[in-house]
Amino acid sequence: EAGVAQSPRYKIIEKRQSVAFWCNPISGHATLYWYQQILGQGPKLLIQFQNNGVVDDSQLPKDRFSAERLKGVDSTLKIQPAKLEDSAVYLCASSLGLAGRPYEQYFGPGTRLTVT
Amino acid sequence: TQLLEQSPQFLSIQEGENLTVYCNSSSVFSSLQWYRQEPGEGPVLLVTVVTGGEVKKLKRLTFQFGDARKDSSLHITAAQPGDTGLYLCAGVVNTGKLIFGQGTTLQVKP
Repeated sequence: EAGVAQSPRYKIIEKRQSVAFWCNPISGHATLYWYQQILGQGPKLLIQFQNNGVVDDSQLPKDRFSAERLKGVDSTLKIQPAKLEDSAVYLCASSLGLAGRPYEQYFGPGTRLTVT
Repeated sequence: TQLLEQSPQFLSIQEGENLTVYCNSSSVFSSLQWYRQEPGEGPVLLVTVVTGGEVKKLKRLTFQFGDARKDSSLHITAAQPGDTGLYLCAGVVNTGKLIFGQGTTLQVKP
């Protein structure tokens, strides 16, 4: 079974530029999560989707971050404009959701973003 | 705000030694998970503990959930260099959302 795919793996941009990350979850997983992991810290949830609906986006900085999961499968996370403090690893995870074991999340390898 | 405090943050030991990592919170969680993360990869789930007082073993790793479901510990017996990595505890809330601790970086020297 293929795991969670993310691209790109690395991205370097200048502050005030825009960037987008892509995630393809495990097939059949209804729930998709985006996390931000700053160096030396644990991951912090940015947004949680159940199919194509948002369950929790309470910690998403909505003035600059946006995310979508239009067909309930792939998802994109966008930052516009980027700030220096956005430098982090952005992790995507998926889980079966209500259909199975809802709390077993499978993580992708992450995208390391450096904002200069 | 639900927070999880992990201690210690860094641990450097020799191969063969034992160690314990602690995860504490003032909040009650429905369950608690432990993950291991290697550089350049996402966290990988090691175990989920659900019942207060529960103890689970995974080879040389022993996980315990506190009676009040607010704290947990991870004990590694006879650590090996392959155990090196970042260990994360995460509390599970009712939507499936995970609240992560800040992690414990473990280095096991041969």
